[in-house]
Amino acid sequence: GAGVSQSPSNKVTEKGKDVELRCDPISGHTALYWYRQSLGQGLEFLIYFQGNSAPDKSGLPSDRFSAERTGGSVSTLTIQRTQQEDSAVYLCASSLAYGLLSTSYNEQFFGPGTRLTVL
Amino acid sequence: DAKTTQPTSMDCAEGRAANLPCNHSTISGNEYVYWYRQIHSQGPQYIIHGLKNNETNEMASLIITEDRKSSTLILPHATLRDTAVYYCIVSYSTLTFGKGTMLLVSP
Repeated sequence: GAGVSQSPSNKVTEKGKDVELRCDPISGHTALYWYRQSLGQGLEFLIYFQGNSAPDKSGLPSDRFSAERTGGSVSTLTIQRTQQEDSAVYLCASSLAYGLLSTSYNEQFFGPGTRLTVL
Repeated sequence: DAKTTQPTSMDCAEGRAANLPCNHSTISGNEYVYWYRQIHSQGPQYIIHGLKNNETNEMASLIITEDRKSSTLILPHATLRDTAVYYCIVSYSTLTFGKGTMLLVSP
């Protein structure tokens, strides 16, 4: 595809259930990022991947949150035992590489997001 | 990452220049200034970035003060479609978004 895609676009779940959010980055992009945006708030960085590894997981809000990336492509963000405060839009972005290249900025391209509502 | 301070909201008349300020007094030497915007219900969109020189592209101009403690994003001829939240970010790599400036462009 031409851009970053995310699925589902909307997810409504009951408190205590587990959810999986999927991100398909732009083909060839080695870096992938997860953010979330609560209502009326700015974007909160969660985690990034360089290839399949996540060097820094400190942005994940609790141990109920986990993410993985396989084959250097698709990533899944899993939230276990969802709580109402997990309700937010979860955004995924990808870039050619992590950080700055010598010749150009690694622009992050964002997907449309997954709106998660926990009842 | 260094913190940034932006006005909560700004208004601009269609066709006029929109000048969005950002303070980043604690920026460190290797941190760049990035601007992204987020139109309602869409993901953020990259606008421009710079280190210390002023930059211009097809979307906007970025003016960075000599001491690098503040910058201004300039949309030279704002249109209604420029209504969005504009985020000023200083970082080396990972982006940390604040609450940004809500720019409302009116007819």
